[in-house]
Amino acid sequence: DAKTTQPNSMESNEEEPVHLPCNHSTISGTDYIHWYRQLPSQGPEYVIHGLTSNVNNRMASLAIAEDRKSSTLILHRATLRDAAVYYCILTNSGGSNYKLTFGKGTLLTVNP
Amino acid sequence: DGGITQSPKYLFRKEGQNVTLSCEQNLNHDAMYWYRQDPGQGLRLIYYSQIVNDFQKGDIAEGYSVSREKKESFPLTVTSAQKNPTAFYLCASSPWTASYGYTFGSGTRLTVV
Repeated sequence: DAKTTQPNSMESNEEEPVHLPCNHSTISGTDYIHWYRQLPSQGPEYVIHGLTSNVNNRMASLAIAEDRKSSTLILHRATLRDAAVYYCILTNSGGSNYKLTFGKGTLLTVNP
Repeated sequence: DGGITQSPKYLFRKEGQNVTLSCEQNLNHDAMYWYRQDPGQGLRLIYYSQIVNDFQKGDIAEGYSVSREKKESFPLTVTSAQKNPTAFYLCASSPWTASYGYTFGSGTRLTVV
C-alpha cells in the first residue's frame, strides 16, 4: 500500500486558517487521497477526498500538488471544534483494495 | 437517518471470557470493517467483509472472529485467545467503490478487568 507522511502535531489559533500537509510520494495514478478526522473517544469522520483536482466542501478544501506527491487539507477558519487528529489516507479505486490504512495522523490543537 | 450503530459503548470483560461487539448499518453498504485503536495509535484492521457470507483477515486477526450473515450486520467476537483485548474498537462500512468515503461507528471501548 502507498504510504503517507504527516507531521505528528500542529497548532493553530481560533479563526485563523490551518494548512495540514501530507506527503505521498509513492502514490499511484488510481489512488484517491482521503482525509478523515477523529475527535476524542469518537470514530473517524470523513472530511474530504480527491483524485487530481482541488476540491472544496462545507468542511474544508483539499489542495493537490500537480505531481500528486503531496496534498494539503485547508481549514479556512479554525474553531475549537476542529481540534482533532487528522488522517491522510490513500485508497485505490481499482482492483479489490478497499482497506484503509491509518497512520498516527496529525494532532491539531486550536488555541482560543 | 442512515448510519452505523455500535453497541455497547462501554464493555467490561473478565479475563478468559468471550465477548461480542455489535455493528449494524442501514446505509446499504456492501463492505464492512473492524478496526482496533490503542491509546495514541492509529487504527489497525482486524477483519473486513466485502460481501455477505465472506470475510477476510486483516493485519491483527488473531484472537478475534467475525460473521457476516446479513448485509446490515458484522459482529466481532473477542475471544479469550486475544492476549491484550483492552482497546477502542471501531466498525466501518463503505460502498463497493473505494472512491466514496467510509462511514465509521462511534466505537466500543472494551476493558478487561
